[in-house]
Amino acid sequence: GQQVQQSPASLVLQEGENAELQCNFSTSLNSMQWFYQRPGGSLVSLFYNPSGTKHSGRLTSTTVIKERRSSLHISSSQTTDSGTYLCALGYGSSGNKLIFGIGTLLSVKP
Amino acid sequence: DAGVTQTPRHEVAEKGQTIILKCEPVSGHNDLFWYRQTKIQGLELLSYFRSKSLMEDGGAFKDRFKAEMLNSSFSTLKIQPTEPKDSAVYLCASSLNWGGPETLYFGSGTRLTVL
Repeated sequence: GQQVQQSPASLVLQEGENAELQCNFSTSLNSMQWFYQRPGGSLVSLFYNPSGTKHSGRLTSTTVIKERRSSLHISSSQTTDSGTYLCALGYGSSGNKLIFGIGTLLSVKP
Repeated sequence: DAGVTQTPRHEVAEKGQTIILKCEPVSGHNDLFWYRQTKIQGLELLSYFRSKSLMEDGGAFKDRFKAEMLNSSFSTLKIQPTEPKDSAVYLCASSLNWGGPETLYFGSGTRLTVL
């Protein structure tokens, strides 16, 4: 089965609402990263977060290793947050090789 | 510093053709990755280089896909011969490997369409 599962597959919000994106993994990890991809665009790293909680502006990432999950919280969503959010599990000796989830497609309406 | 540069942005090929995709990693980065992205499978690792040495060649992609890293600042991915199922976005990424996990930087990708 898939080693990295993301939920929900898609999400539609009104501007200003909060979002909680989930990432569950079936194997132990060396690293965990969250990426953002605009339609037709490249992937941009949001967080490198193998454990604990990290904040960046309106974004918060929390990884709980023993529960094999990571979450991405977006507060006060804006239309420019629309796009695909992917989590990736790092493996290998340095954790640099990544297994990606399929992603959550977020659409924020004005 | 320039990011990861990929060329071309778009490629259209006939079935059976040979195509070569190009990637320039971030200057100074030691690790280079080639991924393929489709809506169904998401991102799949094709190849992984560390300091120009091929560390992983993507298993199922070995027979028609060949990645090379001619020097620390240039890599190519050759698909020969192309098949319609190869239609996808091909992404190159690099990171600075100092011995631990690092943030991965992606290029804008090459969208390949095989007719």
